[in-house]
Amino acid sequence: QTVVTQEPSLTVSPGGTVTLTCASSTGAVTSGYYPNWFQQKPGQAPRTLIYDTSNKHSWTPARFSGSLLGGKAALTLSGVQPEDEAEYYCLLYYGGAYVFGTGTKVTVL
Amino acid sequence: EVQLVQSGAEVKKPGESLKISCQTSGYSFTTYWIGWVRQMPGKGLEWMGFIYPDDSGTRYSPSFEGQVTISADKSITTAYLQWSSLKASDTAMYYCARCPLREKRPFDIWGQGTMVTVSS
Repeated sequence: QTVVTQEPSLTVSPGGTVTLTCASSTGAVTSGYYPNWFQQKPGQAPRTLIYDTSNKHSWTPARFSGSLLGGKAALTLSGVQPEDEAEYYCLLYYGGAYVFGTGTKVTVL
Repeated sequence: EVQLVQSGAEVKKPGESLKISCQTSGYSFTTYWIGWVRQMPGKGLEWMGFIYPDDSGTRYSPSFEGQVTISADKSITTAYLQWSSLKASDTAMYYCARCPLREKRPFDIWGQGTMVTVSS
């Protein structure tokens, strides 16, 4: 069974920068996995931030960016705001099937 | 405005059947796949499957194949997720989402979620 692994938790100061990563148990993540990133705050439905590695939706704040980094998908938050405190999930494509990552809890402190 | 509005919370007993809904508006229902996602209490997101409303073609995660049925009614632009015999382990929040798969942006717009509680 394919496992997509993320850091369990990360802490960042307001105004700082943090990078979340998304690794596949099958090997290096490439653009062919079409990485997506989602944000979920407590009691809310998830919201999509990034699709197809680095593309932003119209509602995605400019401080969020997606990339590939060292064989993983990555989500970078630059100039972090208090409202960015949330759980973040990646999603990878495996030839017709999709697997969500384990999630990263980002704390802004 | 694209909207996906899900049916309300359900409390069921083990062995009972259930069908929850996801009513869509604001876009062409038959153009995009609809996906379903499970989130068990305090846990992460799990992809369950997709349906393409135009021809009702489905694709299931191996973890959910045979456990649930996804369907759609084009006439009322609504997708469904159903169980024939619920188990306590089905207790979870279930989300539907629009999935423009060809555009490589699955789950771009989400419903608000339906909480299903299965308890004797």
